[in-house]
Amino acid sequence: DVKVTQSSRYLVKRTGEKVFLECVQDMDHENMFWYRQDPGLGLRLIYFSYDVKMKEKGDIPEGYSVSREKKERFSLILESASTNQTSMYLCASSKDGARSGNTIYFGEGSWLTVV
Amino acid sequence: KQEVTQIPAALSVPEGENLVLNCSFTDSAIYNLQWFRQDPGKGLTSLLLIQSSQREQTSGRLNASLDKSSGRSTLYIAASQPGDSATYLCAVRLSGSARQLTFGSGTQLTVLP
Repeated sequence: DVKVTQSSRYLVKRTGEKVFLECVQDMDHENMFWYRQDPGLGLRLIYFSYDVKMKEKGDIPEGYSVSREKKERFSLILESASTNQTSMYLCASSKDGARSGNTIYFGEGSWLTVV
Repeated sequence: KQEVTQIPAALSVPEGENLVLNCSFTDSAIYNLQWFRQDPGKGLTSLLLIQSSQREQTSGRLNASLDKSSGRSTLYIAASQPGDSATYLCAVRLSGSARQLTFGSGTQLTVLP
């Protein structure tokens, strides 16, 4: 089975802190994603990576950056955490070329509270 | 812009009933549609993926159908069980780019024992 592992399930950080959320997948997937999920707003894409060192902004990239130095690992960085970044963060991956086809797999989620 | 709607937002049924969850989308030029299950506080688990050329997919008690022309998909759950209680989301992939995935807001299903 595909496994997408998010290193931290629950975090509490202070406003202004730098926050790292780590995600690792074990199926050699090209694509990796970071979403946030908020009540009433659903899932929103923050960043997407289709290869090592390659990234694309999603719908809500402001206040976030990402790093993909190895194929299996995709990190989400909050440079200076703010209270409006309190949310559930979901990492996902899929094996995909330029065309459609493949299932997207999600991690268990990371609950971030910024105080 | 693709919009995905799931109605109703919440549904409560007695155990043993067959039920249908609905997903509608505004742009019929999709590549595929995927149904997920999400338990409280957890990530999303993929249930079924239907390619644009397919009409339905089945897995156990689950059957998902796709009608691109009308912009609709349904997830049929047979003989519902309390363990089926969860939020069910559909997601539509619009184009060849993997990032073009739009999620519905989900239907929260409660199956009463």
